[in-house]
Amino acid sequence: EAGVAQSPRYKIIEKRQSVAFWCNPISGHATLYWYQQILGQGPKLLIQFQNNGVVDDSQLPKDRFSAERLKGVDSTLKIQPAKLEDSAVYLCASSLGWVDEKLFFGSGTQLSVL
Amino acid sequence: ELKVEQNPLFLSMQEGKNYTIYCNYSTTSDRLYWYRQDPGKSLESLFVLLSNGAVKQEGRLMASLDTKARLSTLHITAAVHDLSATYFCAVVTGGGNKLTFGTGTQLKVEL
Repeated sequence: EAGVAQSPRYKIIEKRQSVAFWCNPISGHATLYWYQQILGQGPKLLIQFQNNGVVDDSQLPKDRFSAERLKGVDSTLKIQPAKLEDSAVYLCASSLGWVDEKLFFGSGTQLSVL
Repeated sequence: ELKVEQNPLFLSMQEGKNYTIYCNYSTTSDRLYWYRQDPGKSLESLFVLLSNGAVKQEGRLMASLDTKARLSTLHITAAVHDLSATYFCAVVTGGGNKLTFGTGTQLKVEL
């Protein structure tokens, strides 16, 4: 079974530039999550989709972050403009449903903002 | 606001020794997960604990849950070097699948 795919694996940008990350969940998984993991900390949920609708985006900095999940399959997370404090690993996860379901995580995109 | 705390944050131990990692959380929870993360890798689910008194074991790792105390433990028996990793607990509250992660425990098992 193919896992959660993410790209790119690494990205280095300068502050104020824009960046986008891509995620393809496990086939058939209706729920998709984006987490931010800052070095030395546990992952923090940014946004959760159920199919192509947003379930929870309460911790997403909406002035600079945006995410979409067109057609309810793959998803893109964008940062515009990036700040130094956005340096982190961005993890995508998926699950069959949004209640009582195990999450499967991708390998993440490591972002460095200089 | 839900808070999830782990201790210790760092743990260095010798092979063959036993130790316990603690996870405290501040509100009632529906479920609690333990994850393992190797450097530069993603999160691997180890256990899910669903009810008070739940105990799960896999190899040298055993997890338990006390919902009244809002405490979970991850016990390591006769540690081996391959267990070196960062371990996270994560708590689900309020229905749905929103995970709130602890700070993580970085475990190093010395040969």
